[in-house]
Amino acid sequence: QKEVEQNSGPLSVPEGAIASLNCTYSDRGSQSFFWYRQYSGKSPELIMSIYSNGDKEDGRFTAQLNKASQYVSLLIRDSQPSDSATYLCAVNPGRRALTFGSGTRLQVQP
Amino acid sequence: DAGVIQSPRHEVTEMGQEVTLRCKPISGHNSLFWYRQTMMRGLELLIYFNNNVPIDDSGMPEDRFSAKMPNASFSTLKIQPSEPRDSAVYFCASSLDRNQPQHFGDGTRLSIL
Repeated sequence: QKEVEQNSGPLSVPEGAIASLNCTYSDRGSQSFFWYRQYSGKSPELIMSIYSNGDKEDGRFTAQLNKASQYVSLLIRDSQPSDSATYLCAVNPGRRALTFGSGTRLQVQP
Repeated sequence: DAGVIQSPRHEVTEMGQEVTLRCKPISGHNSLFWYRQTMMRGLELLIYFNNNVPIDDSGMPEDRFSAKMPNASFSTLKIQPSEPRDSAVYFCASSLDRNQPQHFGDGTRLSIL
């Protein structure tokens, strides 16, 4: 089992819709959770951090964390073509450094 | 504020040559990370430093790879001798500490012919 699992996609949504990106992790001791966005040919860019159960909202982005289910998600409201990118889930398992998932490619269709 | 600075941005060299990648972390950040990204394997952590000391190098693929951090503002990743399978994008990232969000440099696109 991979430490951090994401569906590789592509996830295709129409412009204006809600995009839902999901991530599961294996280490129950994980304390910190991050979402990065990576455009093709560019470096990963941090867009959301979440540390406690529940929802955290920042503009059109909402991160959701459920530690009991070892599940973290990212919702993007009013999706725009400029949101088309690969979204990387990253989990800090506590004793070791950040572990990244393989990413989900999102395509927002105009 | 300057972000993480990597050089060179692109490197093309022949198999067997030594390659040195450089990184300047964000000032004040105590943790520095080297990653390799390929289509097949995604983003892999090679090694990370905390306060200039290597903490976990379990991701370094083999002895051909070495990394140093002689001071808080500079790190190198060296490959000697290089092989075609080392072709990838290499990222450096830094953070305030191991548990804080990491900020990535623009990466070095390495091609070994």
